Amino acid sequence: SQTIHQWPATLVQPVGSPLSLECTVEGTSNPNLYWYRQAAGRGLQLLFYSVGIGQISSEVPQNLSASRPQDRQFILSSKKLLLSDSGFYLCAWKPGLAGDEQYFGPGTRLTVT
Amino acid sequence: SQQGEEDPQALSIQEGENATMNCSYKTSINNLQWYRQNSGRGLVHLILIRSNEREKHSGRLRVTLDTSKKSSSLLITASRAADTASYFCATDAGTALIFGKGTTLSVSS
Repeated sequence: SQTIHQWPATLVQPVGSPLSLECTVEGTSNPNLYWYRQAAGRGLQLLFYSVGIGQISSEVPQNLSASRPQDRQFILSSKKLLLSDSGFYLCAWKPGLAGDEQYFGPGTRLTVT
Repeated sequence: SQQGEEDPQALSIQEGENATMNCSYKTSINNLQWYRQNSGRGLVHLILIRSNEREKHSGRLRVTLDTSKKSSSLLITASRAADTASYFCATDAGTALIFGKGTTLSVSS
């Protein structure tokens, strides 16, 4: 069966510090991968998605970036965090062209102080 | 940008009652999906309805889709305290799912 992992679960970082959040999927190959951000009491905002290694599409211009160095690994990064980057970051995957449902990881709670 | 908008934003009911949540969207879609999120957790897929379908059932869930009005509704029948969560609609126009802001459902026993 497929499993999606995210780490860390929680993170407190000062303004201006770098960020690296990791997401990995097990039990499938060539998944579509997604990063979402959820601000407190709000819906999900799509940040990035990837349909293959090295292929990244950005939905929202910001100081965040994403990379997909391996087929089942998706990384969200920032060189300098802003207060507005605080939120709940969710990684999700779906089986490429074969499916419509997305499967979400447990999320990372980021607080920028 | 957000495509779907859920209504109401919050809903409080008693166990055993039915809960209805609505979703409106703006552009053409391939399908519309409903997800559930327990507090501080990831989202869990509940049900998917395709653009050529009008109604779908799954257990205590019933989803309708009206593409002419660009709207959908999710009905949870005979609600339980364990149904307390946030519910999101998500539209699939081919690239990625676009989520609404959600409806927070509270079911008291």
